[in-house]
Amino acid sequence: ETGVTQTPRHLVMGMTNKKSLKCEQHLGHNAMYWYKQSAKKPLELMFVYNFKEQTENNSVPSRFSPECPNSSHLFLHLHTLQPEDSALYLCASSPGRNSYEQYFGPGTRLTVT
Amino acid sequence: GENVEQHPSTLSVQEGDSAVIKCTYSDSASNYFPWYKQELGKGPQLIIDIRSNVGEKKDQRIAVTLNKTAKHFSLHITETQPEDSAVYFCAASLTNTGNQFYFGTGTSLTVIP
Repeated sequence: ETGVTQTPRHLVMGMTNKKSLKCEQHLGHNAMYWYKQSAKKPLELMFVYNFKEQTENNSVPSRFSPECPNSSHLFLHLHTLQPEDSALYLCASSPGRNSYEQYFGPGTRLTVT
Repeated sequence: GENVEQHPSTLSVQEGDSAVIKCTYSDSASNYFPWYKQELGKGPQLIIDIRSNVGEKKDQRIAVTLNKTAKHFSLHITETQPEDSAVYFCAASLTNTGNQFYFGTGTSLTVIP
């Protein structure tokens, strides 16, 4: 795959589990984003990283923990999630924090049981 | 903050007809308006965008219009084809404050063969 890739594509986890979502962009971009997509709701921005530094945290609960080791990789570490956290988690990238276009990956469909 | 409203939530058209999706935004400072298409099982794909210094932009069968005074913008798809069936999202952003996108709730377009 080219562009923005995400793994795994599907994840089922219990409320006591710890898991991680991975995103990789092959576009040479410097900014990366995590979004949550729930049914009937607008996409919600969770975190923004620019040149590996977190620049936005939109009041996301601490059970979601992002990590950006370099400009190409972004992780979302999950622990003690709730059933209402079940959603499609989308990663996106853009050339820079103030750039126009954002390019999305295919998402990870998360189900919390 | 910015508030984006999108209508209609569902739209069915006959193949060959035109489809129009409308969005309004609240922050007159927003300066970038992308449209995304999301097919089942995939992430949103950027299909067209418009910046605030332009009133209209066209790319083959797709066009976007922007009315800054009224704070609304629209997506026009002409000569619709079954492969246009998808969920379409509009967004608004102010790029010089970190490029946070505010998304509409989506329009599910069905093109009937």
